[in-house]
Amino acid sequence: EADIYQTPRYLVIGTGKKITLECSQTMGHDKMYWYQQDPGMELHLIHYSYGVNSTEKGDLSSESTVSRIRTEHFPLTLESARPSHTSQYLCASSELGLGRTDTQYFGPGTRLTVL
Amino acid sequence: SQQGEEDPQALSIQEGENATMNCSYKTSINNLQWYRQNSGRGLVHLILIRSNEREKHSGRLRVTLDTSKKSSSLLITASRAADTASYFCATSGGSGNTGKLIFGQGTTLQVKP
Repeated sequence: EADIYQTPRYLVIGTGKKITLECSQTMGHDKMYWYQQDPGMELHLIHYSYGVNSTEKGDLSSESTVSRIRTEHFPLTLESARPSHTSQYLCASSELGLGRTDTQYFGPGTRLTVL
Repeated sequence: SQQGEEDPQALSIQEGENATMNCSYKTSINNLQWYRQNSGRGLVHLILIRSNEREKHSGRLRVTLDTSKKSSSLLITASRAADTASYFCATSGGSGNTGKLIFGQGTTLQVKP
């Protein structure tokens, strides 16, 4: 098991609520990622970061925002949740540097349901 | 759009049989990786093959890579019910790549006891 954690594991909330999904890793990895995945479907990269104070949008447009104030912490925030945000959110991390393989280590995921 | 395409999308076999999954990609790569995902969980890295390698083994896993055809296959021998999961290929490297992995659409494997 990788040392990367996500909380909460499951979240059911009402439309319009602000939520933050937490992701932390203890491996000292510089690179971190957020993916959105519907059940049985492919992963879509929505945000990534290559270090503190560095964040980029991914391939899939998302209304969420991220921050990277500390190396080990990469939270994702939805200011106003909608039913279309219902999905599984996966956080991952990998090493940065020469000779890297870009192997990613994933957290267990947060299953979000917006009513 | 995702670079990787996996085939088949779903596979159902009996315990003890071999399972083969295929992955195709479009651009040059540094390496290709296979991941496993149990239902409702995160992905777990299984095996990596570099662009200058043709075959690699790890336990019951065998991966091949054909860079001329831009394709890879994952073979799971003597499958077990516990192998039931989704399997994703992911490519690293290639022109314009900034260190991200490009994931395929996944193959869902069901191993019946």
